[in-house]
Order: sequence, then structure tokens, then C-alpha cells
Amino acid sequence: QKEVEQDPGPLSVPEGAIVSLNCTYSNSAFQYFMWYRQYSRKGPELLMYTYSSGNKEDGRFTAQVDKSSKYISLFIRDSQPSDSATYLCAMKETSGSRLTFGEGTQLTVNP
Amino acid sequence: DGGITQSPKYLFRKEGQNVTLSCEQNLNHDAMYWYRQDPGQGLRLIYYSQIVNDFQKGDIAEGYSVSREKKESFPLTVTSAQKNPTAFYLCASSVPGLAGHEQYFGPGTRLTVT
Repeated sequence: QKEVEQDPGPLSVPEGAIVSLNCTYSNSAFQYFMWYRQYSRKGPELLMYTYSSGNKEDGRFTAQVDKSSKYISLFIRDSQPSDSATYLCAMKETSGSRLTFGEGTQLTVNP
Repeated sequence: DGGITQSPKYLFRKEGQNVTLSCEQNLNHDAMYWYRQDPGQGLRLIYYSQIVNDFQKGDIAEGYSVSREKKESFPLTVTSAQKNPTAFYLCASSVPGLAGHEQYFGPGTRLTVT
């Protein structure tokens, strides 16, 4: 069983829709929870991160962490065609610098 | 401009040949990483280095080798022992330890071995 599970999609939504992306994990030592965005044929870039449990909002993006359920989510409001990309969740323990990635969800927002 | 550069963008090799992928950063980061990305597999860690002259194996190190002689550079050699070398290779760097959640990635090298 993988430490981090992520539905690979693909996910296709109309412009303006609310998008929900999710990951589950099994390692209770994970304390940092990240979402990376990767455009086609490019390297990933950090979109948001959350330390421990709770919510974090940045513009149209909201990240949620539920450590009791070992479940994290990324919500995108008013989705735009420019949001079309692969979204990767990643997690890290407090010590060390290794990240464990989910396999990524491919999102297409149709105009 | 600060960032990570990887070269070349596309690389083609014949089976049985070793090939070295370049990764350079000018972010003054101590930690550097090599990942491999395959469809349906996400990013898998090959090797990482938290300081010059030191590196550790990741989850899929077999058939790969690295060196870290300079802070700015972390080249990856794909040897002929790697059974499935065709993939998209990503290099990243970060501040080590607690702030290591933010990794900065290069543009990647797509390696095709025939």
C-alpha cells in the first residue's frame, strides 16, 4: 500500500466550477502537507502548504487537513482554464527534508 | 534570476550507454534532490543530498549514481544497469530541515532510451 494515495483523474470541469482534489495517507508522522501544481512538461511549483491540521486560504484556493481521518483536500473556487494542470499532494515529517508525493490529479477546466 | 536549471531538456540515448543529467541551482540551498516521474506513478525520489559531499539513496536508487562536489551542482548519472531509464527526471532544491517542505523544481529532462 502506498503511503499517499491520490485519485489520478483525469478530472474535467466547466469554467467557474468548484473543484475538490483529495489525498489520503497512512503515515501519522506527517506534519507538513503541500499542494504542488505542475503544468504540462514543466517542473512542479508549490501552491500551498499547511502545517498540522486546519484550513488555509489563498485567493481562490483553500487547503484543508484532517489529521484524525488522514485526509487532505484542495478546493479551487471559480475555476479558470489557466488552472488546468496536474495537482500533486506532498507530505513531510517534522524532521528531515524528504517529501512523499501522491501520483497527481490531472485537471482540465473547459472554457 | 535565481532558480534551478536542468540540461538538456530532451535527451536520447541507446541502450547500454551511461548518461549524465545536469542540475545547477543558484538559490544557495543546501539540499538537492532527484526525482523520476512516470505516468500514474507521481514523483519518486532517486537520491538526495543535504550537504556538499554527502548524499543518500531514495526509494529507487538502483541503476543511478550521483555526486555532490559543489553546493550548486548535483548531477545524476543513469547507468546501463537501470532497467527502465526512459522517464521525465526532475531536480529540486530546498533549505534543509523544517523549511524543507518548499522544494523548488527545475524544468526537467525527458530521457528516452532505445
